Amino acid sequence: GEEVAQTPKHLVRGEGQKAKLYCAPIKGHSYVFWYQQVLKNEFKFLISFQNENVFDETGMPKERFSAKCLPNSPCSLEIQATKLEDSAVYFCASHPGDRAGNTIYFGEGSWLTVV
Amino acid sequence: QKEVEQNSGPLSVPEGAIASLNCTYSDRVSQSFFWYRQYSGKSPELIMSIYSNGDKEDGRFTAQLNKASQYVSLLIRDSQPSDSATYLCAVNDYRGATNKLIFGTGTLLAVQP
Repeated sequence: GEEVAQTPKHLVRGEGQKAKLYCAPIKGHSYVFWYQQVLKNEFKFLISFQNENVFDETGMPKERFSAKCLPNSPCSLEIQATKLEDSAVYFCASHPGDRAGNTIYFGEGSWLTVV
Repeated sequence: QKEVEQNSGPLSVPEGAIASLNCTYSDRVSQSFFWYRQYSGKSPELIMSIYSNGDKEDGRFTAQLNKASQYVSLLIRDSQPSDSATYLCAVNDYRGATNKLIFGTGTLLAVQP
């Protein structure tokens, strides 16, 4: 597709429940990024993929968070045993990866509310 | 020290005035710089990108980069109420060639009619 598609747009989970978010990058883009934005604060980088391979996971919390990008499937970000502080907007972005300096393109975000 | 710093604002300017948004960054190896606009409840959209020292103009927007001072700014001429949004400065982190963007916390701009 011509845009980064994220689902669901809104998700409400009780503390301790699992949350799973999905992202379909722009067709032909080889890099996928996940960012977390809490209460309109800065974007926190979580993880990036180059195709189906993890490229940079330095921002991922060691526990409870996991992500995958499998061939022919949307990428996913999963949070096990959600906590109140996980409430945020999770943005997925993609990048063509063909030359340095190209910016990344964001999806509309998935709003996670943990209650 | 944060990697990308911005004044959170709000920056209030009257309609028709010039809005000046500033950003400093800590990593001297950064090479690409971006300004994103984010309306409340929406995703960021790219306004300007700049890679070389100096000014880059696009319509009412001018980005300025000074790598020696590790400073990048965005000027918005003839500000309109529709420009009211949060402006995010982002820097490309080339370490490991990840193309990862590091964002500041954003500056809230309010253009008063």
